[in-house]
Amino acid sequence: DTGVSQNPRHKITKRGQNVTFRCDPISEHNRLYWYRQTLGQGPEFLTYFQNEAQLEKSRLLSDRFSAERPKGSFSTLEIQRTEQGDSAMYLCASTTSNTEAFFGQGTRLTVV
Amino acid sequence: QKEVEQNSGPLSVPEGAIASLNCTYSDRGSQSFFWYRQYSGKSPELIMFIYSNGDKEDGRFTAQLNKASQYVSLLIRDSQPSDSATYLCAVNTGGFKTIFGAGTRLFVKA
Repeated sequence: DTGVSQNPRHKITKRGQNVTFRCDPISEHNRLYWYRQTLGQGPEFLTYFQNEAQLEKSRLLSDRFSAERPKGSFSTLEIQRTEQGDSAMYLCASTTSNTEAFFGQGTRLTVV
Repeated sequence: QKEVEQNSGPLSVPEGAIASLNCTYSDRGSQSFFWYRQYSGKSPELIMFIYSNGDKEDGRFTAQLNKASQYVSLLIRDSQPSDSATYLCAVNTGGFKTIFGAGTRLFVKA
């Protein structure tokens, strides 16, 4: 296991289309986070899973966003009816505690 | 008031100098503090974490925490051009959510 894996690395989509991103955390990590980062800003918290349970969802996440972690392993983040404002880097991180979180390489979304 | 504030920079230092990066946070209940380094187009990577007041050293890096002043800093000694990156301060309030600052861009001139 070489770390947190995210796919795809890049996604270009037309406005109004749906997109889905996948995150495979480090295998023994029970905590998984999704963050969104735009240019010049730090990562913004989107949602958190402990095992398969989604324990927190940011108010930044509109109803168009949904995340799942069905078996407590990989997670998906879906954005429906994408808007240009959704263009950002979507980062996944995993950890076993409140200490170090390991980030994946991110999925860069461009909505045209 | 932002929860975690950093000077956006850029901070420019000559090679071999000490770079000093600062961060303030608003939640007095914050318990864990982290410094991440992020190269352009890459994901953040952890440099150091600190929980207790005082200094914590790791190689060329020293993290300093002052909970009374709600202030955390990162010193980079003998700065190298490869240290040029954005440095993100992150704070955990004891739950599961870690809040990031916007980052400080550091340039180390050869």
